Amino acid sequence: QVQLQESGPGLVKPSETLSLTCTVSGYSISSAYYWGWIRQPPGKGLEWIGSIYHSGSTYYNPSLKSRVTISVDTSKNQFSLKLSSVTAADTAVYYCAHSYANDYSDNWGQGTLVTVSS
Amino acid sequence: DIQMTQSPSTLSASVGDRVTITCRASQSISRWLAWYQQKPGKAPKLLIYMASILESGVPSRFSGSGSGTEFTLTIHSLQPDDFATYYCQQYNSYWTFGQGTKVEIK
Repeated sequence: QVQLQESGPGLVKPSETLSLTCTVSGYSISSAYYWGWIRQPPGKGLEWIGSIYHSGSTYYNPSLKSRVTISVDTSKNQFSLKLSSVTAADTAVYYCAHSYANDYSDNWGQGTLVTVSS
Repeated sequence: DIQMTQSPSTLSASVGDRVTITCRASQSISRWLAWYQQKPGKAPKLLIYMASILESGVPSRFSGSGSGTEFTLTIHSLQPDDFATYYCQQYNSYWTFGQGTKVEIK
């Protein structure tokens, strides 16, 4: 059973960089598939941030592309999200997720709330 | 960018009702559409992909249809566990989600 778990600071200051890690258990992310990030502001809908193929190819939401970096660490079976120059509008629950073909997510982490505030 | 518009935003229904949610794409997405169910404080759960294929383990009272720009999610005989928010998601070009439809108790 593949499980995903987000981790990282719950509070980030404005203008700083948000950094989150997703640890995958039950499957080696170096083997195949896509691994991504989706966020949800409190009380609002879902927004796709981007994804990474197991080999390292990345795909980003055009509206966030200039601020987003997604990377993979196969030695730790983790993938990470960095979002730079954050503002209060980046306050959200951040989910990591798996997809077979960068299409839809059949497996999600539980989500982690990140608040941007001074 | 492909925009996804769901209707209605909120739907009040009773147990046993047949419920239909519509999702419209701003341009044709063929059948590259998924539906999710989300309950408060939980991650979304995949219900349907490729517009009409039921994910393993999802009850057969859920069904999806459509292609091109118009899609529907139908819950045949609403059950207490189905009160939640539902999202559509296109994956024809990157990913875009609809704004959600909350199904609440009438």
